[in-house]
Amino acid sequence: DTGVSQDPRHKITKRGQNVTFRCDPISEHNRLYWYRQTLGQGPEFLTYFQNEAQLEKSRLLSDRFSAERPKGSFSTLEIQRTEQGDSAMYLCASRYSGTSGKRTEQYFGPGTRLTVT
Amino acid sequence: AQTVTQSQPEMSVQEAETVTLSCTYDTSESNYYLFWYKQPPSRQMILVIRQEAYKQQNATENRFSVNFQKAAKSFSLKISDSQLGDTAMYFCAFMKHAGLGRDDKIIFGKGTRLHILP
Repeated sequence: DTGVSQDPRHKITKRGQNVTFRCDPISEHNRLYWYRQTLGQGPEFLTYFQNEAQLEKSRLLSDRFSAERPKGSFSTLEIQRTEQGDSAMYLCASRYSGTSGKRTEQYFGPGTRLTVT
Repeated sequence: AQTVTQSQPEMSVQEAETVTLSCTYDTSESNYYLFWYKQPPSRQMILVIRQEAYKQQNATENRFSVNFQKAAKSFSLKISDSQLGDTAMYFCAFMKHAGLGRDDKIIFGKGTRLHILP
């Protein structure tokens, strides 16, 4: 059973460049979440998907950020025109949500650490 | 809006001792989940323990137990017989009980860095 994977694990970019991160959830999980964690803080919710539908976006997700989950499997998070304030760990999580109503926990990936210079 | 507060930024204890991490939260919801997550250095976040607000009995998982005080909105984590592998950042977290609904994002506290000393 493979867990949630994220790629790349580390990314260093110059201010103004675009970056894209990928998250592969656990295969049967239909919900996928993105969080951002800055140094010394807890993760903050960014957005989440149910299959391919993006159901909620945080106010933290400015118009420079876009997330997709085109086939309801993997997801990408793109940041355009990066700023130094975007430097953070970007965490992906997934879980299964079904008609039984039984909750399952969110499983987290290892994260992508972004450094904007 | 829900908030989660962890008042202890950092703690250190000797191996084999018992340690308690504090957490308070604020919500107007009556039904919700509370969690403690562990994030070891350079490793991914894992769930330590979960408490459902409608359950009065405190959750336990091996050496980990919670003291859930719903009226006081307090949710502390006790680690018994602490081990070197318990060294990590610990996050207290909240999630609404939305059934099959949409609002199931997790709200995290700022964390407590726990050092277990040999």
